[in-house]
Amino acid sequence: DGGITQSPKYLFRKEGQNVTLSCEQNLNHDAMYWYRQDPGQGLRLIYYSQIVNDFQKGDIAEGYSVSREKKESFPLTVTSAQKNPTAFYLCASSITGFGNEKLFFGSGTQLSVL
Amino acid sequence: AQTVTQSQPEMSVQEAETVTLSCTYDTSESDYYLFWYKQPPSRQMILVIRQEAYKQQNATENRFSVNFQKAAKSFSLKISDSQLGDAAMYFCAYRRSGGSNYKLTFGKGTLLTVNP
Repeated sequence: DGGITQSPKYLFRKEGQNVTLSCEQNLNHDAMYWYRQDPGQGLRLIYYSQIVNDFQKGDIAEGYSVSREKKESFPLTVTSAQKNPTAFYLCASSITGFGNEKLFFGSGTQLSVL
Repeated sequence: AQTVTQSQPEMSVQEAETVTLSCTYDTSESDYYLFWYKQPPSRQMILVIRQEAYKQQNATENRFSVNFQKAAKSFSLKISDSQLGDAAMYFCAYRRSGGSNYKLTFGKGTLLTVNP
């Protein structure tokens, strides 16, 4: 079945540590996104990529980094510069990244700080 | 910057009844897209319904329909014949048309409880 796979489901970060969240899709979508969700908040865009080897910052990119070396994969690294990383992280994809396209979401990764 | 406001943090409805969730947005654009997404306890986001601003006709998807008032910048979601499976967080979202329109701006959500 086609879809988006995020791993791990739960992740713990120690002080000063970088951690990487995985996102893989087999939908052949060009566009991929990373959103952060905090309790009582909507989703906020971290990074966006519309094509391989290209990505743009969203509203809250500070302390995060991404790569898009393959169409299927869009990993997110939460760096030690992100001082408040505890949140639920959602990866999504869409066909081209424009218009009224439906976003397909993964099942999310809950990141917590030890 | 575009903003999306959901003024009802929580709503409840009796099973088989109808409920309306409110959403307003702020934009200077004339062409854009609006969405309602549902996030059940599994936390997986699911598209419920979408509306193109240039279409006057309100979108419907089975028991779900919208009341789109462009002049008032209002986009409410009506759920008819509510079912227990409709219990979820509902997010309204906005996306402008044209240019670098990748960004989907979400409201803070409305938690819907369905009472048996």
